[in-house]
Amino acid sequence: NAGVTQTPKFQVLKTGQSMTLQCAQDMNHNSMYWYRQDPGMGLRLIYYSASEGTTDKGEVPNGYNVSRLNKREFSLRLESAAPSQTSVYFCASSDPGADTEAFFGQGTRLTVV
Amino acid sequence: GENVEQHPSTLSVQEGDSAVIKCTYSDSASNYFPWYKQELGKGPQLIIDIRSNVGEKKDQRIAVTLNKTAKHFSLHITETQPEDSAVYFCAASRYEKLTFGTGTRLTIIP
Repeated sequence: NAGVTQTPKFQVLKTGQSMTLQCAQDMNHNSMYWYRQDPGMGLRLIYYSASEGTTDKGEVPNGYNVSRLNKREFSLRLESAAPSQTSVYFCASSDPGADTEAFFGQGTRLTVV
Repeated sequence: GENVEQHPSTLSVQEGDSAVIKCTYSDSASNYFPWYKQELGKGPQLIIDIRSNVGEKKDQRIAVTLNKTAKHFSLHITETQPEDSAVYFCAASRYEKLTFGTGTRLTIIP
């Protein structure tokens, strides 16, 4: 049981480049989330998806887009990367209806130069 | 929206002593309060959680207390061990969106 899998683990981008962070879960959870983690600021919600086909903005959505491709996969896209998007990104999944905890992936460390 | 404050930001305790981390939340409708432990280079992992209909929950050396009236909750770790060294996050949620505190770096001194 792999849980939540994120790819890639590390990435360096130049300002203005685009990329997509991939996330997949194998726990049949309805809800999936993207967080960013910055020093001294905890984890902040970027976007979430309560079910397949739905997405909603979180606390810090500017500069990002998401796609809930199916129940398993939830991707995060940076269309034009900026240095301010240098961060560690975490994907998570849960099933609030079943009172399950949120499970996190191992993270993607992104540096924008 | 929900706002969660966490204190202290760093905490050092002697091995075998107890550690306490405190959080306050702003949304009185929040009803789920998990605590996560994050080790270096890894994602956060749930260590204990509590729901609003319970005042205290314990799991071996770890306990969480919740005061709904005052809107604060605390993590207590007793008989600390070197492997307890990590960053700990509290969070609050009304249904599915977790709002996290800013984290506490706990260091256990041998």
